[in-house]
Parts: sequence; structure tokens; C-alpha cells
Amino acid sequence: QLVLTQSPSASASLGASIKLTCTLSSGHSSYAIAWHQQQPEKGPRYLMKLNSDGSHTKGDGIPDRFSGSSSGAERYLTISSLQSEDEADYYCQTWDTGTRVFGGGTKLTVL
Amino acid sequence: EVQLVESGGGLVQPGGSLRLSCAASGFTFNNYEMNWVRQAPGKGLEWVSYITSDSTIYYADSVKGRFTLSRDNAKHSLYLQMNSLRAEDTAVYYCARDPAAAGMGHFDYWGQGTLVTVSS
Repeated sequence: QLVLTQSPSASASLGASIKLTCTLSSGHSSYAIAWHQQQPEKGPRYLMKLNSDGSHTKGDGIPDRFSGSSSGAERYLTISSLQSEDEADYYCQTWDTGTRVFGGGTKLTVL
Repeated sequence: EVQLVESGGGLVQPGGSLRLSCAASGFTFNNYEMNWVRQAPGKGLEWVSYITSDSTIYYADSVKGRFTLSRDNAKHSLYLQMNSLRAEDTAVYYCARDPAAAGMGHFDYWGQGTLVTVSS
């Protein structure tokens, strides 16, 4: 079964960097994912598509501070130079024919 | 500019029906797969359904047999007919675009959402 696992929460200081992790279920380590950001009281926003080789395609207007990387079944979202507006929920998402799957989300707190 | 605007949400009693709409603009609607995704209060995102550019449709198990997805390419609109609604269907419903006609599988634009509340 295609499942994505994320840590429920993370925190880092203003101006620091943080790396969020999304783990694909066994047997699905070659799958691409997408990262989405949801700021408080707002709809989700597409950040990037991230392939298994670490290559990624960002959405319109996404700052260079956001980058992605991959290792095995792990997919990462790195945010550098954290700003207050980066405090949000971050969801990874993947897909197969006939289904789309979300991870449980990581709530990022910027201290 | 790509825009997705949902409407049709509201309060409905358990067992009732509601039809959501998503008006699309800023792109050639019939060239893209479209999705509905929902978010229960305080919870994460849950995919609901998607329709391909040639109108093949898929549903999450949680809504199969109760929800019907359709699209009207001439009106640049996506619809979600929701029947036999349950309390657990209470959520903000988002319309989301897939980047390609053949379906890349992810969502590159999202609407602002419409709230559906199922309660007596």
C-alpha cells in the first residue's frame, strides 16, 4: 500500500535552516512526490515536484530558499534562511494510477 | 493567471446532498486533469476524486458510490455531486489542478476552498 510518513512537528529558529522528511512505504522508493505548504487559515500552495534522483521542479514564485533532495525512500524539503511566513503545515503527496496520497503533514514552528 | 474558485458549500443534514462547483480561468481547462481534495477541521489533506481530460474518473474509497465528479469543458467548470452525506464528510473542499492532461499526479494550483458542514 502506498503510504507517506511525516513527522507531526518540527521547529527551528528565525534565519536558520531546516530539513523536513517524507518517507515512502516499502516497495515505493522510486516514486516522485510533491511538497505543498499550507499557511494558517489559507489553502495549500504547491512548492515543488521532487523526483527520486533529487531533481525537482518548483512552482511559480517559489523562492530559492526552498529546495528538495532524495535518498532511497526518503524525500526531503529544505528551507534555508527561515522567515516567519514559513511557519506553516507542510504536506508531501504522491500518486499512482487511480489514487493520490498525502502524508499526514508536518507543522513547522519558526522560533 | 490561473484561478480556481470553489462554491456551493454550506450546512446540510446527514443523508442530504450538496453540489460543489469549481470555476477555472487562466488556462485551457479541457487540457488538464482536475481534482477535489478535502480537509476536515484540524486534520490533514485527503484526496477525494480526480477526472482526466477525457473524463475518466477515480474516487477515494471513503466517497465511492456517494460522490459523483464531472466536468463541463465549455463552462470551464468542475463539479462534485455529494449524496448521502455523513458527519465525517464535514471539511473544506479544495479544487486542485494537475499540471498535465495525461496526469502528472500532483497538484500545481489550488483554490481557496469551500466549507461543507454535515450536521443536524
